[in-house]
Amino acid sequence: GAGVSQTPSNKVTEKGKYVELRCDPISGHTALYWYRQSLGQGPEFLIYFQGTGAADDSGLPNDRFFAVRPEGSVSTLKIQRTERGDSAVYLCASSLRGQGASGNTIYFGEGSWLTVV
Amino acid sequence: AQTVTQSQPEMSVQEAETVTLSCTYDTSESDYYLFWYKQPPSRQMILVIRQEAYKQQNATENRFSVNFQKAAKSFSLKISDSQLGDAAMYFCAYRSAFRNNAGNMLTFGGGTRLMVKP
Repeated sequence: GAGVSQTPSNKVTEKGKYVELRCDPISGHTALYWYRQSLGQGPEFLIYFQGTGAADDSGLPNDRFFAVRPEGSVSTLKIQRTERGDSAVYLCASSLRGQGASGNTIYFGEGSWLTVV
Repeated sequence: AQTVTQSQPEMSVQEAETVTLSCTYDTSESDYYLFWYKQPPSRQMILVIRQEAYKQQNATENRFSVNFQKAAKSFSLKISDSQLGDAAMYFCAYRSAFRNNAGNMLTFGGGTRLMVKP
């Protein structure tokens, strides 16, 4: 596609429910990233995919968070047993190559705004 | 671990004037990249400008330029001839140049809200 697409744009869910957030990266981009942005703060790294594999998941806060990218394109961020503290904007980004490559430009989507009530 | 600090929560500038946004960072690495991102209400992070730490020359992109002071670990953004469309949140970010886990992530500052007065 023309840019990084994220769905849903907004999601309100009840505490304890399960949520899935989807990211469709720019076509041909092998690297995909998830970030979380809490209100009034800068984005924080969650996970990085190179192809189908999670090359770095050191930013996932706990085992309620999980992400997959089964075919090396679309990725889904999954949050189990949601808590009010999970409320944030979840940003997805993609790049042609891995972030460790020089001259790499990272393109962000518009995020999914999750509210847990 | 690297940290990025933006000490100005909000800044205001008159249209057509110049404004400078501050950013400092802390790292023990010698090779890295620094970025300024713009985030309008649409929430999409848009890359404004990037600087390679090994380059002494300050990066420039049209009305946007940086003042990179490596020894002081300072990376400020100057916006000249400010326009109404420049109003947004601005984030400073750091990325390691090393091909390891640290090179996989951007570390962001807390952001500066820029308001442009007509």
